[in-house]
Amino acid sequence: DIQMTQSPSSLSASIGDKVTITCRASRDISSYLSWYHQRPGTAPRLLIYAASSLQSGVPSRFSGDKSGAQFTLIIRGLQADDFGTYFCQHSDNDRVFGPGTRVDI
Amino acid sequence: QLQQWGAGLLKPSETLSLTCAVFGGSFSDHSWSWIRQSPGKGLEWIGEITFAGKTKYNPSLNDRVTLSIDTSKGQFSLSLASLTAADTAVYYCASVWDCGGDCYEHWGQGTPVSVS
Repeated sequence: DIQMTQSPSSLSASIGDKVTITCRASRDISSYLSWYHQRPGTAPRLLIYAASSLQSGVPSRFSGDKSGAQFTLIIRGLQADDFGTYFCQHSDNDRVFGPGTRVDI
Repeated sequence: QLQQWGAGLLKPSETLSLTCAVFGGSFSDHSWSWIRQSPGKGLEWIGEITFAGKTKYNPSLNDRVTLSIDTSKGQFSLSLASLTAADTAVYYCASVWDCGGDCYEHWGQGTPVSVS
C-alpha cells in the first residue's frame, strides 16, 4: 500500500510569513497529488490539484510544486484564515491522504 | 451543496447508515464519495459510487461497506456493517471531481459517529 508522509507535523507561524509544507509518497505517483486545508470543525477544502494547479476560488498566495518525489505546498503571506491543518492526498487509485500538517499562530 | 444525515451513536456489531443529499449543480455529472476522519487514522477514503451505480471501495473496508444511489432523489448512501470502536470517526460525503485523478470539491458538513 502507498504511504504518504508530510513534514513538518506542525509549525507555528505569523501573519505575513512564508510557509512551506512538504509531502512524499512511498512510490512514484506522477503528479496525482492534491492539497486540502481544514479548519477545526469544518470539512477539508481543496486548494491545489495535479501537484501545482490552483483550484478555482483559491487565493494566489497558495502554490504547489513537484520536485522528483517531493511535493511542496507554499503559502506566501500567511493570513489569519490560513491557520488549521493541511493534508496532501494521492488522487489516483489509492486515494490516500497524508497525516496532516497543523499550522498555528 | 451537500447535506448529510444519519444516526451518530451506535453499538458494536451494528450497521452504520448515512445518507447525503445533493442540492444544486448536476447530480448526473459527478461521482460521489464517502470519507471518514478519526484521530487515530486521519482522513480515510471509504468508497465511491458513480451516477450509474458503479462502486469502488477501500480494500480495507470492502467486505463491510455498501454504497447506493437514488438518482430520483439526488441522494447517495453509505452502509457500514459489523461496527467496532475503530469505526468511530467523523464521516463526510463529498463530490468527486475529475482533476486528472479524483479530487473532492464539495463536502457535506460531516456526521460524528461514535461506536460504543
